[in-house]
Amino acid sequence: GQQLNQSPQSMFIQEGEDVSMNCTSSSIFNTWLWYKQDPGEGPVLLIALYKAGELTSNGRLTAQFGITRKDSFLNISASIPSDVGIYFCAGRNAGNMLTFGGGTRLMVKP
Amino acid sequence: NAGVMQNPRHLVRRRGQEARLRCSPMKGHSHVYWYRQLPEEGLKFMVYLQKENIIDESGMPKERFSAEFPKEGPSILRIQQVVRGDSAAYFCASSPSSNDPQAFFGQGTRLTVV
Repeated sequence: GQQLNQSPQSMFIQEGEDVSMNCTSSSIFNTWLWYKQDPGEGPVLLIALYKAGELTSNGRLTAQFGITRKDSFLNISASIPSDVGIYFCAGRNAGNMLTFGGGTRLMVKP
Repeated sequence: NAGVMQNPRHLVRRRGQEARLRCSPMKGHSHVYWYRQLPEEGLKFMVYLQKENIIDESGMPKERFSAEFPKEGPSILRIQQVVRGDSAAYFCASSPSSNDPQAFFGQGTRLTVV
């Protein structure tokens, strides 16, 4: 099946720092989605990307759909304690299958 | 517009019993995905359904697991004769149609097999 490699697996940063994480795949995706999951909760959709090269922002979050359609990154600027959680990328292919990366666990030190 | 509703939130079953997990998609959504998550791990795809049809079940074990999404009512993930290794969080996500790729998740059902 399709594989998404998400990195880094975990990050421990100081409050106020910027964060960057990315996903790569050997397969092409038509859509990239980024989710955040808090403990004990379901993933919440943060950003959806629909076109290669697209750059989209949602507050302090910025995500890009790679030009090759095989990668995407998510940046968080000026991190705050409530940014703590697990961030997942997901790619959707032409068959509407949604494949997830392994997640990036973000920890923020006040 | 209510979000994706899953119930129960927590389910405890003894080994050998059956577990039934329910997922009501968002209103107007006809696509449902089920995922399984072990502690400290990512989301593993199990099955993708549209109304009355299983589109892809390649991630679902062949034995003891089944899923359905009837014309009326919620999608059901059924696990027969549960074993300890089935303990996990099970999430469902729904999306409106093949033309709208966004998928929204429920809060999950945490299954514990004792």
